Formats: sequence, C-alpha cells, structure tokens
Amino acid sequence: NAGVTQTPKFQVLKTGQSMTLQCAQDMNHEYMSWYRQDPGMGLRLIHYSVGAGITDQGEVPNGYNVSRSTTEDFPLRLLSAAPSQTSVYFCASSSSGTGGDEQYFGPGTRLTVT
Amino acid sequence: SQQGEEDPQALSIQEGENATMNCSYKTSINNLQWYRQNSGRGLVHLILIRSNEREKHSGRLRVTLDTSKKSSSLLITASRAADTASYFCATGPPGGGNKLTFGTGTQLKVEL
Repeated sequence: NAGVTQTPKFQVLKTGQSMTLQCAQDMNHEYMSWYRQDPGMGLRLIHYSVGAGITDQGEVPNGYNVSRSTTEDFPLRLLSAAPSQTSVYFCASSSSGTGGDEQYFGPGTRLTVT
Repeated sequence: SQQGEEDPQALSIQEGENATMNCSYKTSINNLQWYRQNSGRGLVHLILIRSNEREKHSGRLRVTLDTSKKSSSLLITASRAADTASYFCATGPPGGGNKLTFGTGTQLKVEL
C-alpha cells in the first residue's frame, strides 16, 4: 500500500491564483481531512470528510474548498491564493468516522504564496 | 484555537536518558493521541489513549492521562538519536469522531 499520497510536494503561487492540492489514500478509509501547519501553531484542521459525498468545515476553512466524490480522493482547492495561505498542508485519513482512531498522514505540500 | 499546550517547547537530552513531555488541554475529550514528526516529514502516530484509560505502554513509550487535571504525559525511555523529532499531542472530541485538535508540539533533540 502507498498509504496517503499528496501532490505536489512544493508549489509557489502568485496572489490571486488558484490551485488544487491532491490527496489520495489506498487504505479504503472513510475519514479524510486536511490540516495546515504553521510555525509555532501546531496543525489546524481546514476541512474533513466522513465519507464520499460528505464534507464539513474545520477550524480554519476560509479560502478553501473541498469535495469527496470517491472514497480514495480528497482534493483541496485554493480559490484565490493569499500570502496568509503560505503554509505546509497535510492530508490525513482514518478508518472510522466515528470511533476515534489513529490517523495516517501524507508527506505534505509546502505552499508559498507571493 | 489550540486545544493542547505542550511543555516544554524544546528539550535536549543525551542518548540513553529518558525524555518526558507534557500536554495540557482545555475541554473534555474522547481520546488523546501522540504523534511524531521528523523534520520536513508527515506525522506518524505513536499511541492513542482513551478517556477511560490512565496509562498505556508501547515499546519504549509510556503515556499517562489524568482527565481530572486535563493533562497527559509522554515518556520515552532510553532515548536514541533517532528519537530526535517534534512530538505533538492531539485530542479527539468528547462525542467521538476524528476531528483532532493538535497542540503546538515539543521539539526533542537527542544528542550522542
């Protein structure tokens, strides 16, 4: 199993540009989520999904959209990039949406917005 | 807002010594998890302790949970240089589910 994969690894955007961060998992996990990590802030939840067709907002959802059309994929869209979105983005998945289980993280996407 | 606060923010020890990190949180939880992050990499799950448990062991790791004090500690015994990493606690909401809230982390450096 590849686990959780993320692409791209690095990305530089200009203010106002849009892009999609890709996330895929091959473990048939129901739960998937996106976090951002900023220095000294730990990880903050952006959006999450408890199954295909179901998404919800986390702690810092503004400026981001998600969709979950399949169990495997959970892309994160930046609609109009801003310098405040410069961060490292992690996708995670877990086998259950209800029980509270360990989460498997991808390697991250380092995004810089100039 | 951050649920967990870790203490200390940074810790430097010699190989073979024990390392203790503490996590305090603010609201009720279903479970508390510890993760490790090596520099520039994703997080790796270490251990999960549920709110009705007080102590859990996994290899060289020992985790305690005191729900009355809303705190947890992670002990790494006989540390190795390979344990050098950042360690994060994360809490799960009281109703269950996987919406974790992470602390700010402890940077551990184990020197030879």
